[in-house]
Amino acid sequence: KAGVTQTPRYLIKTRGQQVTLSCSPISGHRSVSWYQQTPGQGLQFLFEYFSETQRNKGNFPGRFSGRQFSNSRSEMNVSTLELGDSALYLCASSLWGGTSNTEAFFGQGTRLTVV
Amino acid sequence: KQEVTQIPAALSVPEGENLVLNCSFTDSAIYNLQWFRQDPGKGLTSLLLIQSSQREQTSGRLNASLDKSSGRSTLYIAASQPGDSATYLCAVMSNNNDMRFGAGTRLTVKP
Repeated sequence: KAGVTQTPRYLIKTRGQQVTLSCSPISGHRSVSWYQQTPGQGLQFLFEYFSETQRNKGNFPGRFSGRQFSNSRSEMNVSTLELGDSALYLCASSLWGGTSNTEAFFGQGTRLTVV
Repeated sequence: KQEVTQIPAALSVPEGENLVLNCSFTDSAIYNLQWFRQDPGKGLTSLLLIQSSQREQTSGRLNASLDKSSGRSTLYIAASQPGDSATYLCAVMSNNNDMRFGAGTRLTVKP
């Protein structure tokens, strides 16, 4: 079956702009989580969506937001981009997510560069 | 707050050697621990998931163990191959639904 699909793979934006990233989970998976990966901070949890509801949120400013649609696809939005937002953004899907002991599968990521 | 540490940060071994990667965590109240590998610029590939009630999981040449009480997990790779070269990450799912990652161990297997 198809894996987790993230689009676009690469993105270059200017400071102050906004950006929307997309994640299509594995068919049947209802949980989608988003992570930011940078060389300095490693992998940091942004938020998790389950059944169109944000179930958990990491420690990121309100400029980072997301949503999940009825088909479990998720989008992440970053407004007023800053240079420090340059990172690899990864999404992970799992059947139930959270503390359900189901395995998390990651997409290839979206490489965002802010100039 | 859960802290996850991986040692060593980097490891270089000759092909064929058996090796152990270490992961430690500060809060033993976890639901599961998952090992991933990441190739440069790519996403994460799940290797093994150990539930908190389990002691170990095996997949091919990989064996992961979990000692919840001491806050440790190890990933054992047998008969390493150049294709095993990657960064290996451990991630801990805590009771607050938060998956925390270690910084990873960058493994190089030399032919």
